[in-house]
Amino acid sequence: DQQVKQNSPSLSVQEGRISILNCDYTNSMFDYFLWYKKYPAEGPTFLISISSIKDKNEDGRFTVFLNKSAKHLSLHIVPSQPGDSAVYFCAASAKRGSSNTGKLIFGQGTTLQVKP
Amino acid sequence: EAGVAQSPRYKIIEKRQSVAFWCNPISGHATLYWYQQILGQGPKLLIQFQNNGVVDDSQLPKDRFSAERLKGVDSTLKIQPAKLEDSAVYLCASSFWDRVMNTEAFFGQGTRLTVV
Repeated sequence: DQQVKQNSPSLSVQEGRISILNCDYTNSMFDYFLWYKKYPAEGPTFLISISSIKDKNEDGRFTVFLNKSAKHLSLHIVPSQPGDSAVYFCAASAKRGSSNTGKLIFGQGTTLQVKP
Repeated sequence: EAGVAQSPRYKIIEKRQSVAFWCNPISGHATLYWYQQILGQGPKLLIQFQNNGVVDDSQLPKDRFSAERLKGVDSTLKIQPAKLEDSAVYLCASSFWDRVMNTEAFFGQGTRLTVV
């Protein structure tokens, strides 16, 4: 079962515009969410995270929004730059405890292309 | 600060052969993960170590895959014998262990395995 889903395999935007990448999850035990960026032939690079006690976290051009009731999060990139072209993965983990190890569960990824 | 180191970067083997991957995590990171990423999919956790103990190997095909983390630092992942469907990128990641909160994982560049 796919606990973390990115339903859009690809997204194309114009340089300077906003990029919005979406992610849905099914496990209500998830309380920590992350976005990773991956360039070809490299490992995923951590981008930004959000805890379930927040609904928004901002870091420069990147903002992550969390809607717990809808089990949905999104990553906004404003303004988008050609160097942002990469595969973006969302990931989630449950609070570490007796039945959870805190492992990261990833979505399938969304390929973002930013056109000059 | 040095990142997660992995070797080799690429490996081509014939089916039924064996192969081993090596990972050196970020200094001080107690948690180490091995992920498998098949083309077009998100990373899937194979095994998670806390220091030198296994905390999650529920998705590790134990009939052919094995992993160890001696002395709680370096780790090796072995496949014996390899199958065609094992062709993937094998990613090692590490994270700082916090008693209360989950933390982000940092990834190495990965090893691309091709089984022919």
